[in-house]
Amino acid sequence: DAKTTQPPSMDCAEGRAANLPCNHSTISGNEYVYWYRQIHSQGPQYIIHGLKNNETNEMASLIITEDRKSSTLILPHATLRDTAVYYCIAPTPKFHLVSGTALIFGKGTTLSVSS
Amino acid sequence: GAVVSQHPSWVICKSGTSVKIECRSLDFQATTMFWYRQFPKQSLMLMATSNEGSKATYEQGVEKDKFLINHASLTLSTLTVTSAHPEDSSFYICSARRVGQPQHFGDGTRLSIL
Repeated sequence: DAKTTQPPSMDCAEGRAANLPCNHSTISGNEYVYWYRQIHSQGPQYIIHGLKNNETNEMASLIITEDRKSSTLILPHATLRDTAVYYCIAPTPKFHLVSGTALIFGKGTTLSVSS
Repeated sequence: GAVVSQHPSWVICKSGTSVKIECRSLDFQATTMFWYRQFPKQSLMLMATSNEGSKATYEQGVEKDKFLINHASLTLSTLTVTSAHPEDSSFYICSARRVGQPQHFGDGTRLSIL
């Protein structure tokens, strides 16, 4: 897995966009970037993933820099329910070829959304 | 989205007893299931990987005789904590996936051993 670096914590006002950065400067050309979040006392929830193009779904947008060394997860209108630990993971390319490869979690970013 | 169901969500039991946790993929056939453990204020730690019909692969430091994993079908895996002791108290989370799909997680089981 490529090493990822995230800030330990961030704050965001309710209704504002939350921009969560992730550095993955050693990522290889065929390693995707995945984002998950874990709300307190629950299992991780898949948010989004991408390779080099920006991606958007109903939960968030993922912006990946052209050199792929960093990415940003954007929650366009954060709510109190978005308070969680957000994990950026760049698994080995084997993850996409073999189902038996697991995601390895780092420490993530604790996002606190307040009113 | 894909749903992974885990049961029970909370269990309290006496030291020395065995506890079984079930993990089911409800709307897809999971080629592989994973078991993680999470201690307070820490990240998830992978315990083992399980493929249907074969023996589980355990991560270094995880006792396979203490944590028995059975993966009898493409939709069900079980984790049995045998002769549980207070130090086994933790949050256990299962996960399921198939090739080409993201990994999906259950809501976890909080195990408390008295």
